[in-house]
Amino acid sequence: DTAVSQTPKYLVTQMGNDKSIKCEQNLGHDTMYWYKQDSKKFLKIMFSYNNKELIINETVPNRFSPKSPDKAHLNLHINSLELGDSAVYFCASSQRQGATEAFFGQGTRLTVV
Amino acid sequence: AQSVTQLDSQVPVFEEAPVELRCNYSSSVSVYLFWYVQYPNQGLQLLLKYLSGSTLVKGINGFEAEFNKSQTSFHLRKPSVHISDTAEYFCAVSPHNTDKLIFGTGTRLQVFP
Repeated sequence: DTAVSQTPKYLVTQMGNDKSIKCEQNLGHDTMYWYKQDSKKFLKIMFSYNNKELIINETVPNRFSPKSPDKAHLNLHINSLELGDSAVYFCASSQRQGATEAFFGQGTRLTVV
Repeated sequence: AQSVTQLDSQVPVFEEAPVELRCNYSSSVSVYLFWYVQYPNQGLQLLLKYLSGSTLVKGINGFEAEFNKSQTSFHLRKPSVHISDTAEYFCAVSPHNTDKLIFGTGTRLQVFP
């Protein structure tokens, strides 16, 4: 069983479209995250949620809207996609607040053309 | 604010040779320290972590790291590398009582036969 799973794995879309990436964890963790990895492999946190409550919003454009329907799911919706949004997006989870050990999904490679 | 510096963007090494990947950090508050590995087209996997206690930390796949508070370093070592260790390695810190991981820019370890 995959601990943190993301869908889709690859996403190619045109500028201006709206898209969503889904994430689910079966580890029973309370905290979930979205990280963005750019073309130079630099990883930066975007959001964290604890028990469905937004904890961190790291100066991400408001075109990005995370949604947590329950503590096992954290989806990322992106409006009006731009070329600069092309990146690999990683979902992660940890047992409690305080990133003492985060488990990462396989990533979603988003390409905006 | 916190920052993580990985001094080497690439480290080429021959199989069975020892390796050290360097990591320095800057933080005005106490942090937890981590090393993650990313194999091609995969998510991040935790290698090891320092939370407290002994400054020498052993992780998976024969890796170890030593926390040096005075030098604010957390270098990763392995006495004898394998071809399968070829991957991207990320050092990260997490300030106490926060949810985020702050990553370095990564070091590409390339092991040659």
